Amino acid sequence: AIQMTQSPSSLSASVGDRVTITCRASQGIRNDLGWYQQKPGKAPKLLIYAASSLQSGVPSRFSGSGSGTDFTLTISSLQPEDFATYFCVQDYSYPYTFGQGTKLEMK
Amino acid sequence: QVQLQESGPGLVKPSETLSLTCTVSGGSISSADSYWSWIRQPPGRGLEWIGYIHYSGTTYYNPSLKSRVTISVDTSKSQFSLRVNSVTAADTAVYYCARVSPHGDYVWFDPWGQGTLVTVSS
Repeated sequence: AIQMTQSPSSLSASVGDRVTITCRASQGIRNDLGWYQQKPGKAPKLLIYAASSLQSGVPSRFSGSGSGTDFTLTISSLQPEDFATYFCVQDYSYPYTFGQGTKLEMK
Repeated sequence: QVQLQESGPGLVKPSETLSLTCTVSGGSISSADSYWSWIRQPPGRGLEWIGYIHYSGTTYYNPSLKSRVTISVDTSKSQFSLRVNSVTAADTAVYYCARVSPHGDYVWFDPWGQGTLVTVSS
């Protein structure tokens, strides 16, 4: 199975900050990667698919980039509602595998 | 829009069978492009995809769990279910159901249920 290594595992930031989260695949996955946001007690929400395509309704401050093995999720200007856990998932090959998650906390 | 809700016991004894059900509302479980999945997250660890079922009965199971897992579907009730046999403490996790659907060359896990915690303990 493809391993997804996500970093950092946690991150402290302030409203207005620019934040970057990375995922690295153990082998090339083209751009078959999604990013999701998870809040406590809530269903995870799709933010980005195909590494850089913004899901409908997701604010434009979220962006994704990368191809092959290295991917990033960037939040250009943190808003209070963005403090959550973020995770990546590769959909290149079975079994689909997830990153460990990044908990974004308020500084 | 489609909504998913997990249900089932929150406590299971070691060596017994974990059983969960996911109810689909707001859309058809018999949609051709929907693959109904189970995902779990042990405390303090990352997410693990357990597998999926299509309304036609086609299934895929993660090799890491394949020998102990069964996913089934009941289209008349708009539900799909998960069974994990011979559970141990390592099966303690929040269990999520989700729809996996192809979009061009890509796959969406969307939507998800809110998740349900299952603890394996005597």
